[in-house]
Amino acid sequence: QAVLTQPSSLSASPGASASLTCTLRSGINVGTYRIYWYQQKPGSPPQYLLRYKSDSDKQQASGVPSRFSGSKDASANAGILLISGLQSEDDADYYCMIWHSNNVVFGGGTKLTVL
Amino acid sequence: QVQLVEFGGGVVQPGRSLRLSCVASGFTFTSYAMHWVRQAPGKGLEWVAVISYDGSDEYYADSVKGRFTISRDNSKNTLYVQMNSLRTDDTAVYYCTRGTGSSSLDSWGQGTLVTVSS
Repeated sequence: QAVLTQPSSLSASPGASASLTCTLRSGINVGTYRIYWYQQKPGSPPQYLLRYKSDSDKQQASGVPSRFSGSKDASANAGILLISGLQSEDDADYYCMIWHSNNVVFGGGTKLTVL
Repeated sequence: QVQLVEFGGGVVQPGRSLRLSCVASGFTFTSYAMHWVRQAPGKGLEWVAVISYDGSDEYYADSVKGRFTISRDNSKNTLYVQMNSLRTDDTAVYYCTRGTGSSSLDSWGQGTLVTVSS
């Protein structure tokens, strides 16, 4: 079982909100981890969006709009990237990441389609 | 502004070696850990390795441990990865990326493509 699991795709309409999940493997408690989120558009390197562990331990990357935010669902053992007021430019791949046992681990990525 | 430029990609036969370089500018290189992250064609991101700001610590993904070596030359603001015993599944775009104190990877190069093929 992968350390981080993301749905492979998600579709949403312009102006709506999208909730992208990143589920941690059983036995790895989401509460103890900082979850990092990245956006990647075709032909470009990933771009760091934000980090979320708790409301008192979070960071928005410079220049990232406030409509991108992070949270957690402890009952689902998952990190969440919420994108509100979807725009066509949000159409991209999104990856979550954690540090686990001195290694960086990425989720498999979610392709968000805004249509 | 922060710039990371990777060099050294190309086509190489299975079992051969290749060294990638990443030249950094626009920030104090000696203050940051540095990583290599790769992405196979049409696939997701895979972390490869990290080296501490002073080169004293290194960690590797299991998939490359024993075959790849990350290093840095702080006098040249350059990060390296020596890749030995290359396999076809090492084919990917290799990105150099900066690791911050809060452990994010906040700046990325444009990447260099490594193709392992006979």
